[in-house]
Amino acid sequence: QVQLQESGPGLVKPSQTLSLTCTVSGDSIRRGGYYWSWIRQHPGKGLEWIGYIYYSGDIYYNQSLKSRVTISVDTSKNQFSLKLSSVTAADTAVYYCAREKVGPGSSGSPFDSWGQGSLVIVSS
Amino acid sequence: EIVMTQSPATLSVSPGEGATLSCWAGQSVSSNLAWYQQKPGQAPRLLIYGASTRATGIPARFSGSGSGTEFTLTITSLQSEDFAIYFCQQYNNWPQGTFGQGTKVEIK
Repeated sequence: QVQLQESGPGLVKPSQTLSLTCTVSGDSIRRGGYYWSWIRQHPGKGLEWIGYIYYSGDIYYNQSLKSRVTISVDTSKNQFSLKLSSVTAADTAVYYCAREKVGPGSSGSPFDSWGQGSLVIVSS
Repeated sequence: EIVMTQSPATLSVSPGEGATLSCWAGQSVSSNLAWYQQKPGQAPRLLIYGASTRATGIPARFSGSGSGTEFTLTITSLQSEDFAIYFCQQYNNWPQGTFGQGTKVEIK
């Protein structure tokens, strides 16, 4: 059974870069067939998709965050990472990594596995 | 971006009763709709995908229906572990999947 685990600083200063890593166990990112995703949830709010990466390096970002987001993958470590630059208090959220099966045709698939989440607070 | 709207925001239900949650899409998402359950301090858990297919291990008291723009999650005979927040998500407009704001099912 696949497991995902986020790691990274829980406190980031305004204007700095938020960095998180998701370590995958029980599945190989290199196997293909899945997109590896970042999703965030503001306190007491709904969920916001941030972006996906495929093992080959294909990347898709949420247009609203695209100018500040970088997602990368390290298949040798079975990890993928998120960087969000120029953070403000509005970026305070729980950040989840998740897995989505490559969908048929032009549609996607649901997120079938999630990490526990990592709370990141942006504050000086 | 497809806006997903859920109703009601909060639903108060007594244990053993049923609950019906609604989700509307701003435009047709076909049957590319999922439901998730989230308990405090936990990640969302996939309940339903394809609008009506239960995910692995999900009890039969959870059922989904709908297509196009209107969807429903029905929970029959609520158990104590079912009190949680439920989110719908469309994945038709890939890769820009979007979530509803959630419905909290609380104990009456």
